Formats: sequence, structure tokens, C-alpha cells
Amino acid sequence: NAGVTQTPKFQVLKTGQSMTLQCAQDMNHNSMYWYRQDPGMGLRLIYYSASEGTTDKGEVPNGYNVSRLNKREFSLRLESAAPSQTSVYFCASSRENNQPQHFGDGTRLSIL
Amino acid sequence: GEDVEQSLFLSVREGDSSVINCTYTDSSSTYLYWYKQEPGAGLQLLTYIFSNMDMKQDQRLTVLLNKKDKHLSLRIADTQTGDSAIYFCAEKEEGGGNKLTFGTGTQLKVEL
Repeated sequence: NAGVTQTPKFQVLKTGQSMTLQCAQDMNHNSMYWYRQDPGMGLRLIYYSASEGTTDKGEVPNGYNVSRLNKREFSLRLESAAPSQTSVYFCASSRENNQPQHFGDGTRLSIL
Repeated sequence: GEDVEQSLFLSVREGDSSVINCTYTDSSSTYLYWYKQEPGAGLQLLTYIFSNMDMKQDQRLTVLLNKKDKHLSLRIADTQTGDSAIYFCAEKEEGGGNKLTFGTGTQLKVEL
């Protein structure tokens, strides 16, 4: 019962480097999400994909791109990392609208 | 935009009841969720309530919803040290896909 799997778990980057965070779910869910978690700010939605082939911006999309590769996989890319993107990134999925979201264990990203 | 607020900290003694409170501003909220986050881990769905319900009970957990006051609470009966974690409430607005707005989280500390 893997659920939502995120890789890598930890990463340190230098300013200006690029990086792709991977997310895969094995629950046959239609919708997938990327959040960032910062101290004192809860979780903020970066991008989401309501279904395979569609993506939409969330609350804080600037500096990120996403790809819904297939129904299982939803990746988040930082083209030119900045220190302000130091955060914990969570991927989540849900079966469909109005169904609860299930979260991965997170990727802890530090940008120096 | 939507806003969800929670107090930052709560400390209780083992065996007592814990009550974690949440207020939200979006009157069109359809579902409200409680998630638990243990250190270094992702968010675990605890329970959720539909907006036309006043109360939901699940073993030691009781959720109360006052839609008029836009107030949600999570009561944990017989609190144990294993309940120490950060608790997030989240709301789903009507329409707009399955996007959630999270509170900043309440850190629950259970003391012996």
C-alpha cells in the first residue's frame, strides 16, 4: 500500500540550479496536487491537475512548472531555484472532486 | 480570498480531552477536513465533515461544525502522548475543483 510516493526525500540545491520533484500515486486517483509548507503559513497550493491532461495554477505558482505525465505521475519543476523556494513540498491526490486528498511524505528542499 | 485560522499551540495532560479550534471565512465551504502531521511526515487525514452536518464522531474524535459562526472544532477524548502532532483544518470551497485552503496548524503537546 504505497499510496503517494515522492522522490527525493531531501535535496540541497545552489541558487540557479534546476530540479524536478517526482510524485506518483497507485490509487488510480484522477486529481493530483503540489503544495509547499512553510513555517507559520500552513500549506499553500502551487499547482494542481484535476485530471490527466490538465493542469491549473494554485495560490503560489510563480517559479514552478508542472507536468501530468500520465494518470499516476505529476512532477514539479524548478527551472532556476531561488532561496525563497526553500520549503517542504507535498504531493497529494484524490479520486475525484469532493473526495479527501491523500498526501505523500514530502520533499525537503534547501536552496543555498 | 478564503482564510482559515487556528491557534498555534495547545498543551494538555495525558488522559484529558483536547479541543482544537478553527475558524474560516468562506460561507460556500462544502467540506471541512482535519489532518494530522507528525514530525518529518506528511499529512494524515483524520476525519472530515460535510457542511450540512453539525457533528461527526469517529472513535475518540468528535468534529463539531457551527456553520453560522464558521467555526469548526476537533475534540480528542482521552488524549495520549501519541496524539502529539500538528493538526491542520482545511476547507474545500464550492466549485473550483478540489482545492483546499489550509489553516496554519495547531501544535498539540501532550504532557505526562
